[in-house]
Amino acid sequence: NAGVTQTPKFRVLKTGQSMTLLCAQDMNHEYMYWYRQDPGMGLRLIHYSVGEGTTAKGEVPDGYNVSRLKKQNFLLGLESAAPSQTSVYFCASSPTVEDEKLFFGSGTQLSVL
Amino acid sequence: AQSVTQPDIHITVSEGASLELRCNYSYGATPYLFWYVQSPGQGLQLLLKYFSGDTLVQGIKGFEAEFKRSQSSFNLRKPSVHWSDAAEYFCAVGAQNTGNQFYFGTGTSLTVIP
Repeated sequence: NAGVTQTPKFRVLKTGQSMTLLCAQDMNHEYMYWYRQDPGMGLRLIHYSVGEGTTAKGEVPDGYNVSRLKKQNFLLGLESAAPSQTSVYFCASSPTVEDEKLFFGSGTQLSVL
Repeated sequence: AQSVTQPDIHITVSEGASLELRCNYSYGATPYLFWYVQSPGQGLQLLLKYFSGDTLVQGIKGFEAEFKRSQSSFNLRKPSVHWSDAAEYFCAVGAQNTGNQFYFGTGTSLTVIP
């Protein structure tokens, strides 16, 4: 029972580099989310998806792009990484509205130098 | 706009003592309210949730929370804290008509003294 899997777990980038974080869930959940967690700021929603092929902006979307080509996968891209994007990134998924609960991945620690 | 406030950044309690973590929310309609716990290096785990009905909800690990509409609060309580409860606690609000968006507070870090 894998649940929500994030890859990679750690990454170090140089300013201006690009990368993609992958989130995969095996629970057939409709909704998927990307959050970033920073000290003293809690979790902030970057982007989210309410179903395959759909994405929407959250609280802090600037500098990120996402895609949900398959229901089980939600990709977060950084086209030109900046030091301000150093953070811990969490992916989460949830079932339909009848059961509103988030299932979290274990996080990706990203450092941008 | 939805928002969640956790006024206590850090709380220290002795093992066996009672615990109350505060959470206040701002939301136009009836919210869905949650408490999550995060152990070091881990993702978040749901402790309990409130959708409707009984305003006192029971969760896992002996936690409970009470929804008070008049105070816009959803405080988390535990009668007797264990050393393993040391973690970061997050209150969150969500709603169906926002695309299932969940908004989190800034968290309360709990230290348990033996």
